[in-house]
Amino acid sequence: KAGVTQTPRYLIKTRGQQVTLSCSPISGHRSVSWYQQTPGQGLQFLFEYFSETQRNKGNFPGRFSGRQFSNSRSEMNVSTLELGDSALYLCASSQAGTVDEKLFFGSGTQLSVL
Amino acid sequence: GNSVTQMEGPVTLSEEAFLTINCTYTATGYPSLFWYVQYPGEGLQLLLKATKADDKGSNKGFEATYRKETTSFHLEKGSVQVSDSAVYFCALRGRAAGNKLTFGGGTRVLVKP
Repeated sequence: KAGVTQTPRYLIKTRGQQVTLSCSPISGHRSVSWYQQTPGQGLQFLFEYFSETQRNKGNFPGRFSGRQFSNSRSEMNVSTLELGDSALYLCASSQAGTVDEKLFFGSGTQLSVL
Repeated sequence: GNSVTQMEGPVTLSEEAFLTINCTYTATGYPSLFWYVQYPGEGLQLLLKATKADDKGSNKGFEATYRKETTSFHLEKGSVQVSDSAVYFCALRGRAAGNKLTFGGGTRVLVKP
């Protein structure tokens, strides 16, 4: 079974641009969550999608948005990029998103904002 | 809100030494507790979990016991190997927080031969 796939692996953008990151969950998984990892703030929850609906959202500005498609693939978008958005963005999937379930993480997309 | 505090690293050990990484948490209700490991250039992998008080999670020689009275979930391994060098994250997932994971700051462990 293929794992969680995130594309692209690396991305370089400039301030003010927008970016879209993609996540393909493990086949059969319906819950997809996104996390931001930075040296200063650590790992922070962005949002979770389940069956195309946003089920939970972290404390990030509205420039961060996401969506999930009918095949459970998810995208996150960051508009008007700022230097502080440079981070590793991790996607995780699980079957139903219940509290005791194991989350499977992708290798992440490393975003650098110049 | 929920929070997780874990000891700062880096922790440097010799091979076959005993490893302990302290983790304490604050949460409403009865969260599930997890340890994740991150190897260089990779995403997170679940190492072990415990879903209720006094549960012991174990995997690959690592163990952690869910202590509700001390709100702790310390990670231990009796004899580390060079391949255990990684960053370890303690995390909780609480029903009251909508099932999102709250992570500690991570502890880098370096095992020298």
